[in-house]
Amino acid sequence: DTGVSQNPRHKITKRGQNVTFRCDPISEHNRLYWYRQTLGQGPEFLTYFQNEAQLEKSRLLSDRFSAERPKGSFSTLEIQRTEQGDSAMYLCASSHKFQETQYFGPGTRLLVL
Amino acid sequence: GENVEQHPSTLSVQEGDSAVIKCTYSDSASNYFPWYKQELGKRPQLIIDIRSNVGEKKDQRIAVTLNKTAKHFSLHITETQPEDSAVYFCAAINAGGTSYGKLTFGQGTILTVHP
Repeated sequence: DTGVSQNPRHKITKRGQNVTFRCDPISEHNRLYWYRQTLGQGPEFLTYFQNEAQLEKSRLLSDRFSAERPKGSFSTLEIQRTEQGDSAMYLCASSHKFQETQYFGPGTRLLVL
Repeated sequence: GENVEQHPSTLSVQEGDSAVIKCTYSDSASNYFPWYKQELGKRPQLIIDIRSNVGEKKDQRIAVTLNKTAKHFSLHITETQPEDSAVYFCAAINAGGTSYGKLTFGQGTILTVHP
């Protein structure tokens, strides 16, 4: 499968724990995006990378959230001191530098107990 | 920032009927409008998109129209089939603008096609 991949697909954690998600974009896509989707809503933008540079962050991304893309390939999204309100589907997408189309991964569903 | 409104929130049709979903956007600088289909538990998949220099685009049973003056765009599905049942999202972006790659999505439409 040459599409966007995400791991893990599901994560259950207790409130206060830290979690980390990984996204592998489509090969040669230098743009990578993170979105959050709650039940019954459309995806909401969190952050965006071009190569290894994080170019934009949403106000939704509190200080407990951090994202990295150290070598311009895969990316990680870490949530520290998780809260029940963090429960959601975390989607990753990628696109080619010269194309607007974003291709989504299958998402990581997070449940904070 | 951009705001996208999508209607209706739910749509129920009989197989073979047409379905229309409408979206409005607020930022006149938005220039790229994709539509995604999301089946339960699966990733959003692009089904069609349109750029601001085009008024209409068609791909088999799916078409999208754009009215830049009124800032609204619509998805049209003809000859609906049960496998078209899913949640559909519209989105808007100012591709190349200062918002970089940020897609703003509508709230989604749950389409149900009854056999």
